[in-house]
Amino acid sequence: GAVVSQHPSRVICKSGTSVKIECRSLDFQATTMFWYRQFPKKSLMLMATSNEGSKATYEQGVEKDKFLINHASLTLSTLTVTSAHPEDSSFYICSAPNTGDTQYFGPGTRLTVL
Amino acid sequence: AQSVTQPDIHITVSEGASLELRCNYSYGATPYLFWYVQSPGQGLQLLLKYFSGDTLVQGIKGFEAEFKRSQSSFNLRKPSVHWSDAAEYFCAVGVAGTASKLTFGTGTRLQVTL
Repeated sequence: GAVVSQHPSRVICKSGTSVKIECRSLDFQATTMFWYRQFPKKSLMLMATSNEGSKATYEQGVEKDKFLINHASLTLSTLTVTSAHPEDSSFYICSAPNTGDTQYFGPGTRLTVL
Repeated sequence: AQSVTQPDIHITVSEGASLELRCNYSYGATPYLFWYVQSPGQGLQLLLKYFSGDTLVQGIKGFEAEFKRSQSSFNLRKPSVHWSDAAEYFCAVGVAGTASKLTFGTGTRLQVTL
């Protein structure tokens, strides 16, 4: 089956620093990837759609300057949380669609901002 | 816009008992419907999906779901629950034909007692 990886799985950083999270499709190519944020005991909230070779599309209310997305290749998308603050602490999950309109999800990245 | 409702926030069942998790959706056309399972601190694993055809779909781990258009429902069932099934279950609806972003329900936490 389709596999999506994320790195790192956990990251702790100081307030004001930037953190980069990678999302890779390991055995398929993805021109589109999606980034979600999940709050404790809550559902997944779509943040943005990452498009290979073009700008990301952000959902309403998501700060594009705070959450920088780069889709560098057909197998890699990165999410950079810039000038992170404690309220950015969350579980970030990426997904990529494979054949048949099915999304495959990465294992997630737990970000803790001190 | 599509929406998903999972009316049960938390369900507890005994091991070996049957399970049904409810999901209702709102979408103007024929939806793509999914059930995902999330173990603590993990990403989402696809259990099953419905795009078209037979309204009773079989998934992994012995799960099945039935699409009922008249009730706008896609309930997940399992005849005999195992302790390892304890997790968070998410129902999601997608836009047909675009492999696009998903809208998730708020999830149902399943607890299994021995």
